[in-house]
Amino acid sequence: QLQLVQSGPEVKKSGASVKVSCKPSGYTFTTYGISWVRQAPGQSLEWMGWISTNDGNTKYAQQLQGRVTLTTDKSTNTVYMELRSLRSDDTAVYYCARDYGIGRFYCDYWGQGTQVTVSS
Amino acid sequence: SYVLTQPPAVSVAPGQTARITCGANNIGSYSVHWYQQKPGQAPVLVVHDDRDRPSGIPERFTGSNSGNTATLTISRVEAGDEADYYCQVWERSTAARVFGTGTKVTVL
Repeated sequence: QLQLVQSGPEVKKSGASVKVSCKPSGYTFTTYGISWVRQAPGQSLEWMGWISTNDGNTKYAQQLQGRVTLTTDKSTNTVYMELRSLRSDDTAVYYCARDYGIGRFYCDYWGQGTQVTVSS
Repeated sequence: SYVLTQPPAVSVAPGQTARITCGANNIGSYSVHWYQQKPGQAPVLVVHDDRDRPSGIPERFTGSNSGNTATLTISRVEAGDEADYYCQVWERSTAARVFGTGTKVTVL
């Protein structure tokens, strides 16, 4: 069945970096892009960026530009999200999601989420 | 940036109808999508492209979109519908996926 499996929880110090993986299965990997969305405690969903799993093209949310990098590995069908210079307000659950609907994009399948905790 | 405003909370009795609004300037010109999120779980898509339901989503979930307001309507509300609901659009100028502020639906 179609699913996206993410890596496990992370605890990092302020200023460090974190890299979260997302491995989709159940469909052809390169057919759909992947978005990353995060949710701080008690807050709404925040879109972080998108990557084409076909050619690696990326789009990033303006407020995270320069701190986030999305990459894809077609040999292992895995997508990665790296966030640098971590701050306490980066503490959140990070989700990957399959991006669907050219010209009207939405997320039709989601990973289980990865808790990232940033401590000082 | 484009801001989607939702009421923080909606309360409804079982069997009644819940209406969740998503307001923004000229939102009727966008395709609006809706997600349901239960505590400790990932979001689930319940309506896409204003009014279409993914397979497995009950017909009780319907969407509409016109002018400055999009609406998710949940008919014959059940206890299992208690969750947070988020609207979302794709902003063409920035390629950003924009989420609404979220609405907590409580079943009385």
